[in-house]
Amino acid sequence: DTGVSQNPRHKITKRGQNVTFRCDPISEHNRLYWYRQTLGQGPEFLTYFQNEAQLEKSRLLSDRFSAERPKGSFSTLEIQRTEQGDSAMYLCASSLEGDFSNQPQHFGDGTRLSIL
Amino acid sequence: GQNIDQPTEMTATEGAIVQINCTYQTSGFNGLFWYQQHAGEAPTFLSYNVLDGLEEKGRFSSFLSRSKGYSYLLLKELQMKDSASYLCAVNTGFQKLVFGTGTRLLVSP
Repeated sequence: DTGVSQNPRHKITKRGQNVTFRCDPISEHNRLYWYRQTLGQGPEFLTYFQNEAQLEKSRLLSDRFSAERPKGSFSTLEIQRTEQGDSAMYLCASSLEGDFSNQPQHFGDGTRLSIL
Repeated sequence: GQNIDQPTEMTATEGAIVQINCTYQTSGFNGLFWYQQHAGEAPTFLSYNVLDGLEEKGRFSSFLSRSKGYSYLLLKELQMKDSASYLCAVNTGFQKLVFGTGTRLLVSP
């Protein structure tokens, strides 16, 4: 299966700790997205990469959040000094460049973050 | 602002037809997507509409009216495995999708 892969699937940590998640997109996809989803809600956009360039970041994303995609392949999302409100499912998606109508975003199964 | 509305929950019977509506008011529009999401799993792509009209894909069809800011997803010959959340999402033109809260569909025997 060559879908989007995210690790870990579940992360439990104490408030104030730092956490890092990894996303491996579908290999030929040059666009990569991070979303956050809480229970009963749809995914909420966080940030977007085209190759290694981070082209957009949500205004909702505080300075405690940082994402990288150093070689234009896998990406990491780090949350520093975690807070209770950070508890959510963090979803990664990838897509091909080109006419967006032909290039839907393909999602990974997500990393569920639980803050104690 | 961005506003996408869907019913929270719907129920239907196996073998029936169900229509899930979505209305949107967004700052930009570059197409509307429907995704299916089973509990604890990734959203999976179902359909895309950028022009007015109906797109059909097997048991699933999606309709768009841009002038009305309205779309629906039609599911025919419902099966138990169709029990899931259905997410309406608008591409606002900046390479990001704005999602509705999703409609949870429960299919009963």
